[in-house]
Amino acid sequence: KNEVEQSPQNLTAQEGEFITINCSYSVGISALHWLQQHPGGGIVSLFMLSSGKKKHGRLIATINIQEKHSSLHITASHPRDSAVYICAVHNFGNEKLTFGTGTRLTIIP
Amino acid sequence: GEEVAQTPKHLVRGEGQKAKLYCAPIKGHSYVFWYQQVLKNEFKFLISFQNENVFDETGMPKERFSAKCLPNSPCSLEIQATKLEDSAVYFCASSLSSSNYGYTFGSGTRLTVV
Repeated sequence: KNEVEQSPQNLTAQEGEFITINCSYSVGISALHWLQQHPGGGIVSLFMLSSGKKKHGRLIATINIQEKHSSLHITASHPRDSAVYICAVHNFGNEKLTFGTGTRLTIIP
Repeated sequence: GEEVAQTPKHLVRGEGQKAKLYCAPIKGHSYVFWYQQVLKNEFKFLISFQNENVFDETGMPKERFSAKCLPNSPCSLEIQATKLEDSAVYFCASSLSSSNYGYTFGSGTRLTVV
């Protein structure tokens, strides 16, 4: 079992839909990242969370430390949101990241 | 600069040749990390540095891989005698401190071993 599990693996939705991607982890962490990767592209860090909730534009990320769970939400989804979204965690006392397997999101116009 | 600069973007090497990848962290960032991405979404940690000192090298295949971060120079990751399975995208990231503030990724180097 991976230390970081994401669901769903693939998600296709219509433009405008509300999107939720989930991440569960099994280890103690100091922080969690949500990353975005476009096909053939680099990695963009969307959020780093250690508690609570963060919002940036149409993106919202939440984390529940007790339940070891985080969600990434996209409101009013747009085709340009199509990408792979990756959850990655910093284990306690360790700066390196452990990555989830990613969620491939496709938004259809 | 305000970005993590990785060069080259693409690198093709014949099996057995040497490959050298470079990463210039954001100015003022103390930590540098190297990750290998294979099979699209499978990331593997390789090595991290705190300034020019190796911080964690538990992910490095010691036989053929080496890395350095020297003062006033880009960090480097070198693979001697490349193998087909080394084909991957190699990402570098840097952060400001041990609290991971400002964790930023470079755009990656795609290494293809033929």
